[in-house]
Amino acid sequence: DAGITQSPRHKVTETGTPVTLRCHQTENHRYMYWYRQDPGHGLRLIHYSYGVKDTDKGEVSDGYSVSRSKTEDFLLTLESATSSQTSVYFCAISAPDSHREAFFGQGTRLTVV
Amino acid sequence: AQTVTQSQPEMSVQEAETVTLSCTYDTSESDYYLFWYKQPPSRQMILVIRQEAYKQQNATENRFSVNFQKAAKSFSLKISDSQLGDAAMYFCAYSPNRDDKIIFGKGTRLHILP
Repeated sequence: DAGITQSPRHKVTETGTPVTLRCHQTENHRYMYWYRQDPGHGLRLIHYSYGVKDTDKGEVSDGYSVSRSKTEDFLLTLESATSSQTSVYFCAISAPDSHREAFFGQGTRLTVV
Repeated sequence: AQTVTQSQPEMSVQEAETVTLSCTYDTSESDYYLFWYKQPPSRQMILVIRQEAYKQQNATENRFSVNFQKAAKSFSLKISDSQLGDAAMYFCAYSPNRDDKIIFGKGTRLHILP
């Protein structure tokens, strides 16, 4: 299994509070992604990174920010959580020489109450 | 906009039978990758099969094969000799070679009937 770890695995937070999810990889892969998975919507790309300090927005980036200060870590921050951000969040990694195959973390279930 | 469409939210197939899951995509790119991922109840995402757009030959992996129609922008997954362990959500995904994004469809939930 690819070395990719998400933390925390579960979190319940209150509306309006900041939340940071962490993705850590040991594969030294260049690309990292954050997705959210919701019933009826599949996986939607939030943000992605193509290198240290190089990030770009996905299709559902509003309300989210990311940072990548090291190759191995990609952080997703909800500045002020809302109930609409209740979801399962997946981190994924891929490398140019892996024909873009993505390896996924176990997911984080976030509940905003 | 680049999109991936899976028109079948749910499907059922009898054990040992063959089932085909549909996927279409919209792109102006000529060089890209296509994927099928499986997500069982454990929630773990597993790569089932991959197709490179420049290859005309359809990819196969044991009981799994694809029908890649580049002109029609269609990428269907055929599962032969369906097994109970094939029950899962299946996602079609697209990634253009010049870009770093990987875009997923909404998924098809596959039920295997014993």
